[in-house]
Amino acid sequence: NAGVTQTPKFQVLKTGQSMTLQCAQDMNHEYMSWYRQDPGMGLRLIHYSVGAGITDQGEVPNGYNVSRSTTEDFPLRLLSAAPSQTSVYFCASSYLGQGGSGANVLTFGAGSRLTVL
Amino acid sequence: SQQGEEDPQALSIQEGENATMNCSYKTSINNLQWYRQNSGRGLVHLILIRSNEREKHSGRLRVTLDTSKKSSSLLITASRAADTASYFCATDDSSYKLIFGSGTRLLVRP
Repeated sequence: NAGVTQTPKFQVLKTGQSMTLQCAQDMNHEYMSWYRQDPGMGLRLIHYSVGAGITDQGEVPNGYNVSRSTTEDFPLRLLSAAPSQTSVYFCASSYLGQGGSGANVLTFGAGSRLTVL
Repeated sequence: SQQGEEDPQALSIQEGENATMNCSYKTSINNLQWYRQNSGRGLVHLILIRSNEREKHSGRLRVTLDTSKKSSSLLITASRAADTASYFCATDDSSYKLIFGSGTRLLVRP
């Protein structure tokens, strides 16, 4: 049982390049989400999905696209990378209602460190 | 803007002492959770407290919630060097979005 798997672990991009951060989970979780973590800022929600074919914006969605064609995968796309997108990105998933009363208890991946030059 | 703010931002204690960190949030919540992050790793769920609960225990962890003050505290008793990590509170409303605070960095000195 691998849990939440993120690839790549490290990536360096030049400004204007595009790339996709991959996230896959093998727990049949309905809910998946992407966060970015910057020093002193904690984690900020980028996009999330409550099931295949359904996505929505979080706190900081600009510059990022997502899609959810399967329950298992939730890729995050940077269409034109900017230095402000240098960060550590975390994918997290959950079985909705896992904690009871609609609680959303997340399982996190190990993170992807992105540097944009 | 972020929902939760932790206080203090950093905390250094001696092994065996208790560690208390606080979280304040801005809007009504369904649940509040605490997560732990070891350096260079993803976050790990520690404990959840529902909006209708005031206190919860799990091993050496004690969480309180005061919805009138929109605040929560996490107490780690008899701390160990292995408790050194960053601790985050996270809140959710009925939308399932989980919003995190900025975290408290805890250092437990042997």
